[in-house]
Amino acid sequence: DTEVTQTPKHLVMGMTNKKSLKCEQHMGHRAMYWYKQKAKKPPELMFVYSYEKLSINESVPSRFSPECPNSSLLNLHLHALQPEDSALYLCASSQDPKAAREKLFFGSGTQLSVL
Amino acid sequence: SQKIEQNSEALNIQEGKTATLTCNYTNYSPAYLQWYRQDPGRGPVFLLLIRENEKEKRKERLKVTFDTTLKQSLFHITASQPADSATYLCGGQAGTALIFGKGTTLSVSS
Repeated sequence: DTEVTQTPKHLVMGMTNKKSLKCEQHMGHRAMYWYKQKAKKPPELMFVYSYEKLSINESVPSRFSPECPNSSLLNLHLHALQPEDSALYLCASSQDPKAAREKLFFGSGTQLSVL
Repeated sequence: SQKIEQNSEALNIQEGKTATLTCNYTNYSPAYLQWYRQDPGRGPVFLLLIRENEKEKRKERLKVTFDTTLKQSLFHITASQPADSATYLCGGQAGTALIFGKGTTLSVSS
């Protein structure tokens, strides 16, 4: 299994809602990532988990809250989002937490719309 | 700040020709560069990784180069096909994470 699975594929939420994005991989990878991608822009790194511990937070607003319950799962909890947070949210994983040395496996993403 | 730049937003070529995409890095020297393909509404898919001490790497119709003097990587697709139409992202090491350029959207016409 060489897939990273993200659910849901699409999500529409209001600014007062609380929702969660989920990501799962069964490749035994020890690093997992959340990226945010706006239309016609590159993916921007949000968070990195290394061996289930948060290792990088790229100054992301607290309305985004990541969680890594175990080595296969990664969640992104959303609360009180703004319309400008609408984007494609991508999860990725890599075998080695020193990601730049090897390839990232990306999921298909969750297309989020905040109304 | 560390930057990966892909200055061509779009590249249009005819089927059978070689597509050449450019990636430049500024304000730092990445030890590794990676190239990904992204189709609309999908996550990026890894294509090739090249280290700074490697001049060139090949995989089937793909070739990537790394020129530390010019601070540039070139990505070539030979004998291009309409199925190669996609956005190609260049990613560079920044600490222990990967940062991306804006991407170049390649359109191959038959």
